[in-house]
Amino acid sequence: QQQVKQSPQSLIVQKGGISIINCAYENTAFDYFPWYQQFPGKGPALLIAIRPDVSEKKEGRFTISFNKSAKQFSLHIMDSQPGDSATYFCAAKGSNAGGTSYGKLTFGQGTILTVHP
Amino acid sequence: GAGVSQSPSNKVTEKGKDVELRCDPISGHTALYWYRQSLGQGLEFLIYFQGNSAPDKSGLPSDRFSAERTGGSVSTLTIQRTQQEDSAVYLCASSWAPGGLYEQYFGPGTRLTVT
Repeated sequence: QQQVKQSPQSLIVQKGGISIINCAYENTAFDYFPWYQQFPGKGPALLIAIRPDVSEKKEGRFTISFNKSAKQFSLHIMDSQPGDSATYFCAAKGSNAGGTSYGKLTFGQGTILTVHP
Repeated sequence: GAGVSQSPSNKVTEKGKDVELRCDPISGHTALYWYRQSLGQGLEFLIYFQGNSAPDKSGLPSDRFSAERTGGSVSTLTIQRTQQEDSAVYLCASSWAPGGLYEQYFGPGTRLTVT
């Protein structure tokens, strides 16, 4: 059962534009929502993360918007640059229903972002 | 300091053979995770170790998969009797602790190809 759904699968944006990636989750026990950035041949690296007690977090050009009631969160990349071209994964962490596995991350399917110069 | 390292970086094996993949976590990290990334797919949790606690094996896809962590540091993921569907990138991550906001640091992965 996929617990985190991510869209779109791919996204093409012009330099300077805004990139928006959306995720939706099902498990209300999730309490930590990170976004990871992955370049080809590399492991994912944490980009930005949010807890459900805030609705927005901004770090530089990257912003997470969080809607707890809708169980949705999104990543906004302002002034997108060609160097932002990568695969982005949303994820969620917390105890699963019936379990106590606090550590593992449940990932979305990923979004391949291409920023054209 | 050094990040998470994994070896080998690439492994090609014949169907039916056993393989061992190694992960060296960041020194001092108590939690260690294995994930699998298939082509065009997200990351799939396999197993996680926390200190001396029993590992969470809930993500292992079959009994052909096993993992151990020796001395609370290095971990080995073993796949027995490999199948073509095992072909994927196997990623290891470590963190100071599993709970709270402790970031998971990923290694570069081992690309496994089963022919």
